[in-house]
Amino acid sequence: GAGVSQSPRYKVAKRGQDVALRCDPISGHVSLFWYQQALGQGPEFLTYFQNEAQLDKSGLPSDRFFAERPEGSVSTLKIQRTQQEDSAVYLCASSTRDRGLELFFGEGSRLTVL
Amino acid sequence: RKEVEQDPGPFNVPEGATVAFNCTYSNSASQSFFWYRQDCRKEPKLLMSVYSSGNEDGRFTAQLNRASQYISLLIRDSKLSDSATYLCVVKSHNTNAGKSTFGDGTTLTVKP
Repeated sequence: GAGVSQSPRYKVAKRGQDVALRCDPISGHVSLFWYQQALGQGPEFLTYFQNEAQLDKSGLPSDRFFAERPEGSVSTLKIQRTQQEDSAVYLCASSTRDRGLELFFGEGSRLTVL
Repeated sequence: RKEVEQDPGPFNVPEGATVAFNCTYSNSASQSFFWYRQDCRKEPKLLMSVYSSGNEDGRFTAQLNRASQYISLLIRDSKLSDSATYLCVVKSHNTNAGKSTFGDGTTLTVKP
């Protein structure tokens, strides 16, 4: 399909493991966002890219979280030394100025840290 | 205090009812406003943008009061398929740059 694709859909990690979550945005979408959604809460902003430039990483909760988008397309969110509080759904969204301000979300990666 | 506040509900209404959701935001520099819909265990999807003059899309009406920093969503003639969580969203830019800030959502259940 032509939507935002995220993988893996589900990830179970033991506390202390590193995880990498991938986002493939809609082709041609310049802006890419990562959000974290805990159960019963709204999505919380993590970081934002415009092309390959990370313009805002103010929402990353600690230096264990790192995101990159080296070629301005696919993005990876990496979490080092996972903790139980990292358990959440990680949502990726992309947008383009041609479609106004609408965010197109992927289905998310559900991370469970045991 | 969260930047975007919503009544979490849940709102349980019968089919055909009219229901209204409210949202307040704290950043007076906010430029753009939206309602997103999120079905259970699915991703959020744009329901409608909210314009200063108010706007309507079928059974849905959105209002913005910049002076009070208040946004509302009215759903008329509720359908079973309207059952979802409704997320209020504000953005400090009026371009596609910059982050969008989400409320925690209001859950609606429409019953037969």
